[in-house]
Amino acid sequence: DQQVKQNSPSLSVQEGRISILNCDYTNSMFDYFLWYKKYPAEGPTFLISISSIKDKNEDGRFTVFLNKSAKHLSLHIVPSQPGDSAVYFCAASGPSSGSARQLTFGSGTQLTVLP
Amino acid sequence: SQTIHQWPATLVQPVGSPLSLECTVEGTSNPNLYWYRQAAGRGLQLLFYSVGIGQISSEVPQNLSASRPQDRQFILSSKKLLLSDSGFYLCAWSIRTAVIGSPLHFGNGTRLTVT
Repeated sequence: DQQVKQNSPSLSVQEGRISILNCDYTNSMFDYFLWYKKYPAEGPTFLISISSIKDKNEDGRFTVFLNKSAKHLSLHIVPSQPGDSAVYFCAASGPSSGSARQLTFGSGTQLTVLP
Repeated sequence: SQTIHQWPATLVQPVGSPLSLECTVEGTSNPNLYWYRQAAGRGLQLLFYSVGIGQISSEVPQNLSASRPQDRQFILSSKKLLLSDSGFYLCAWSIRTAVIGSPLHFGNGTRLTVT
């Protein structure tokens, strides 16, 4: 049961253009969403997050949009740079009855920015 | 600032041999600690998490185990490795919270190949 889905395994974009990475979720209890970037042989690096009380969060070239009614979030990178080429994971979490929130990850999208 | 160390970076082990991967966190107290695995071409799967010394929760039944002998130390072990244990193992930490969403911060991972 995939609660977080990234349906595009890969995306190619020209340098300077906008990259749009998409993610869908099914669990309506999720209230916190994140994007991670991962280079080969390295751990994922946290990029940007958004809580369910917002519909947009921006940090430099990165903007995350949340559409709760559609259970959909997206990451926009503009302008895209060759160094942005990596695998991007979306993740989500909800309140926990214990002391730890667990992140549920999507399967990732390989972004390639062409020079 | 907080840092997370994970070692070794790569490991090749024969089937049936034991495993011990270690992870330590610096610059924070009482973190939540996590072990994730990324199989080839797939997303991140949560294996274990810990909210305190000696407190381990398992998410996936398998022949792996985890221990937390100290507040900022998390160990992943196996008595006998299987071929299917091959993968990229990631340790992560987060602040201790169940209510507020917070990002996980990952180590650089261990590439385990079971031959």
